Amino acid sequence: GNSVTQMEGPVTLSEEAFLTINCTYTATGYPSLFWYVQYPGEGLQLLLKATKADDKGSNKGFEATYRKETTSFHLEKGSVQVSDSAVYFCALSFSGGYNKLIFGAGTRLAVHP
Amino acid sequence: DVKVTQSSRYLVKRTGEKVFLECVQDMDHENMFWYRQDPGLGLRLIYFSYDVKMKEKGDIPEGYSVSREKKERFSLILESASTNQTSMYLCASRQTGAYTDTQYFGPGTRLTVL
Repeated sequence: GNSVTQMEGPVTLSEEAFLTINCTYTATGYPSLFWYVQYPGEGLQLLLKATKADDKGSNKGFEATYRKETTSFHLEKGSVQVSDSAVYFCALSFSGGYNKLIFGAGTRLAVHP
Repeated sequence: DVKVTQSSRYLVKRTGEKVFLECVQDMDHENMFWYRQDPGLGLRLIYFSYDVKMKEKGDIPEGYSVSREKKERFSLILESASTNQTSMYLCASRQTGAYTDTQYFGPGTRLTVL
């Protein structure tokens, strides 16, 4: 079946550190890949997405590249801020249907000054 | 901006009660979704609706039903609440177009069943 696996959290970093959150997927076919972010007390917001192999999604200093050969979509940021503290969800979906999203378990990031 | 609202942020109910969770979107989207979010499990799809009065089961529909009488409103119903339905419930609305296919989420309802 289709599934998403994320690295377990929490991830704790100091401000301005480099961030990587690993995400790998299992899918029959070629899904679109997403990163959503959930700030404390809020719903999920789309952070970035990529729809085909080798695409790079980017937003707010975050980047992720769709790697078909390793079935991965790792999230990176060069210099994190305290305001980046949130839960990050990796997800996949297939176009042509109802865009049913399949989520990973989420990774909590805590950034300290 | 797309706006998805949910009727309550926090709700406490007793076992056996009938519970209604409401979700409203203001962008005329056809597709709407209900998920539950649990620690270590991420989000799991309960039900979705692709148009008024149309619905489909998601991955974990047992113990839930839904209603979509108007395009802007999608309701999740717990016919007889149980303690294992204590969770965070998130509604989403889907925007589609030539260059976009994105789900927008509401703030969530944290339900506690005692």
